[in-house]
Amino acid sequence: EAGVAQSPRYKIIEKRQSVAFWCNPISGHATLYWYQQILGQGPKLLIQFQNNGVVDDSQLPKDRFSAERLKGVDSTLKIQPAKLEDSAVYLCASSLEVELFFGEGSRLTVL
Amino acid sequence: KQEVTQIPAALSVPEGENLVLNCSFTDSAIYNLQWFRQDPGKGLTSLLLIQSSQREQTSGRLNASLDKSSGRSTLYIAASQPGDSATYLCAVPSYGQNFVFGPGTRLSVLP
Repeated sequence: EAGVAQSPRYKIIEKRQSVAFWCNPISGHATLYWYQQILGQGPKLLIQFQNNGVVDDSQLPKDRFSAERLKGVDSTLKIQPAKLEDSAVYLCASSLEVELFFGEGSRLTVL
Repeated sequence: KQEVTQIPAALSVPEGENLVLNCSFTDSAIYNLQWFRQDPGKGLTSLLLIQSSQREQTSGRLNASLDKSSGRSTLYIAASQPGDSATYLCAVPSYGQNFVFGPGTRLSVLP
C-alpha cells in the first residue's frame, strides 16, 4: 500500500515570495490534514478536510495561507506572501477511521 | 482546549535499558491516543493506537498504556537499541478528529 506522498521535500524562498505544497493521501482515506511543525515542537494542525469539505481551519492564518482539496483526493497548501516565521516542516496526514498516517513532510526555509 | 505535555523532554540511556516515556493530557474525554516516532528530517511513523476501550497495546518491544481518568499514557520500550533513537510523540484527539500533539521526547540510546 502506497503511503502519503508529499512534494517538494525541500523549498527555500525569500520572504514575501509564494510557495505551494502538494499532498496525495493514501488511497481511500477520506480525511486529510495539513500540520505545521516548527523545530523542536510537536505538529500543529493548520487545516482538516473530510472528502473535499473543510472540517477545521481555525488555526490557519487565512491572510496568507490557503488550502484546497479538489475532488476529495489530492490537496495543495499555499503560502503567499511568506514570512520568516513560516520556516517549518509542513506535514500532510490522512486517515480512514482513527489512525493517522503521515507523509515525509516538506521543509520550508524562508530567508 | 486539549493540552498535551511529555516528560522527559530528552533522555539518554545505554543500550539494553528498559525505559518509560510519559504523556499527559488535560481533557480526559478522549476516544483514542496514538504514539508516533519521528526520525530527524522525516515524517511521523505510527507506533501504537490505543482505543478508549483498551487499557494498553503492544507491538514487539513497545507497550503503551492509557489511563483516561488520570489523563496519562506511558510508552514502555524494552531492551532499548541504538536504532530506537528518535523523537517520540503522543497525539490526543481534541474536537472531532483534530489531533493535538505533545512536544515529544528526544531519545538517544548509546551503544
